[in-house]
Amino acid sequence: DAGITQSPRHKVTETGTPVTLRCHQTENHRYMYWYRQDPGHGLRLIHYSYGVKDTDKGEVSDGYSVSRSKTEDFLLTLESATSSQTSVYFCAIRTSGRDEQYFGPGTRLTVT
Amino acid sequence: TQLLEQSPQFLSIQEGENLTVYCNSSSVFSSLQWYRQEPGEGPVLLVTVVTGGEVKKLKRLTFQFGDARKDSSLHITAAQPGDTGLYLCAGEVRGTGNTPLVFGKGTRLSVIA
Repeated sequence: DAGITQSPRHKVTETGTPVTLRCHQTENHRYMYWYRQDPGHGLRLIHYSYGVKDTDKGEVSDGYSVSRSKTEDFLLTLESATSSQTSVYFCAIRTSGRDEQYFGPGTRLTVT
Repeated sequence: TQLLEQSPQFLSIQEGENLTVYCNSSSVFSSLQWYRQEPGEGPVLLVTVVTGGEVKKLKRLTFQFGDARKDSSLHITAAQPGDTGLYLCAGEVRGTGNTPLVFGKGTRLSVIA
């Protein structure tokens, strides 16, 4: 399972509040990703990181920010949550060489 | 425009039937992966194909990469209820270096006992 954990696994929050989701990996992979998954849209990339302090935007980055201060942790922050950000969020790592991605168990976020 | 088109979107079959799902693109891929996702869980990698024409088997699942590396198929023989789930294909477009993988929207399979 590539040693990926996500926390929290479930969260309910109110519109306008800040929320931070954490992804933790234990195998020192360089690349880490944040996706959201919604019915009818599939997996959509929010942000990704290619090293400590090195991040880039994905296709749905508006309203989200990320930080990676150490190899093992990749944080996703919703500065001011909106109902449109209700979704299931997945973190993934990518192995070098075969370029395979492995996903975490997901965080279900509900914004009321 | 979706770079990877999966078909069908939904498939409901009886236990014991065979099925094929497809992943198509106009782009050439360096590699292509297939994932299965069950409700409440993250996608789980099933296989990676890298060579045009490559065929890989995983028990009752057969994966094929097109000769031109623009498409792939997943064939399931004698489907079982445990095969139920969302099947996703994803790939690295050739020549794009370490850009993120491109994902299809998936085929949702339901196998009825």
